[in-house]
Formats: sequence, C-alpha cells, structure tokens
Amino acid sequence: SQQGEEDPQALSIQEGENATMNCSYKTSINNLQWYRQNSGRGLVHLILIRSNEREKHSGRLRVTLDTSKKSSSLLITASRAADTASYFCATVFEDNFNKFYFGSGTKLNVKP
Amino acid sequence: KAGVTQTPRYLIKTRGQQVTLSCSPISGHRSVSWYQQTPGQGLQFLFEYFSETQRNKGNFPGRFSGRQFSNSRSEMNVSTLELGDSALYLCASSLRLASSYEQYFGPGTRLTVT
Repeated sequence: SQQGEEDPQALSIQEGENATMNCSYKTSINNLQWYRQNSGRGLVHLILIRSNEREKHSGRLRVTLDTSKKSSSLLITASRAADTASYFCATVFEDNFNKFYFGSGTKLNVKP
Repeated sequence: KAGVTQTPRYLIKTRGQQVTLSCSPISGHRSVSWYQQTPGQGLQFLFEYFSETQRNKGNFPGRFSGRQFSNSRSEMNVSTLELGDSALYLCASSLRLASSYEQYFGPGTRLTVT
C-alpha cells in the first residue's frame, strides 16, 4: 500500500501531557498533511509540510518530517480534553501529484 | 466566510437505487474533492474536480461519478447502490489543487444502504 500509516492506532493520555503520533510512508512525497477529525465529523486541516522542510509549528502543534526515514511525527504539547479526536496524515506522492492517500489514523483520548 | 456545506446530511437508500450528494465549496475555492470513509477501509479518495474538470480519480468502480458546475459546486452520484456503499461521504474544497493547498472539509453525508 502507498498509504501513510499512523502509529500508534490509539493513544490515551492525561490532560497536560504531550502526545506524539507518527506517520510512515513508502515512496517519495511532495508534501504531507496532518488532519484532525472529531467523532463523526469532517476533517480539519492542521499543518502541511513540504518535502524540503524538516519542521513546522502551529500553536501547540509541532510537525517534523524525516524524508530519509520516510516518516513524520505530530507532537501536541500540553494536551487538553478538547484535543480528543482522530488524527490522520495524508501524503501526496511525487509520482502521483494529484492524489491524496490517508492513513488509518491515530485515536487520541485525552482524559481530564 | 461560510464553510463547506454538504446536503443532505443523512440519507437512507435501498440496494439498487441511486443517490446524488451535493457539495458547496467555500467561496473562491475552485477545487472540490470527494472522499469515502468507512470503518473497514478508512478514508479513501474518490475524485477531485478543478474548474469543472475531473483532475484525478481514485480506485472506485464506474458506479461512482461526479461533476462540477461553473460556480464550483459539485455533485457526486452513486448508481446501483450496494450495501458496501454505506459510508460517510466527505467533500473538501481548496483554493487550487488539493495536493498543494490545505483542504477544508464539510461535515459529510452519512449514507446508509439497506
């Protein structure tokens, strides 16, 4: 499969702790995007990181990209109960620029 | 600015019927993409339309089709419905091609096929 795969599949932490989710993929990418989905709703775009970038920040979110390892990580610092959601990475491959491939997601549960 | 809207939000159909779902993108967005989300298969890309042209298509049978109008609104049609078509169908819009710009998703249409 060309899909990005998130790891872990599920993560449960206490409010205030940091949450780290990983995404691995198989072929060279043009860019990688992270999305959040609250239960049964549409997805919300979090961060887009291009293949020539190594790290991006947005508020409490930090995304890193290691193209040599074909992996990305999403770090949520000082988590809140409202961060409880599923997180997906979506990859756009160099040789198939117009298609998105979503991973299976990480279910994050932040306990108050 | 209004977000992406999808209608209807919920739909129940029987096998063999056809269904049309509608998506209105954010004003000014020219790209509309469609996705199917199921517990078993996850999120799968259906197709993307840009300036009324289908730019790309995922690995779905020909029963799944779509179109985009001059005002960028898009419709998706599924003919001869099967039980396995039960899913959340998500529409997303972006300023230009979805692969280079962030996508804004609608709330989805929950389709149940009985």
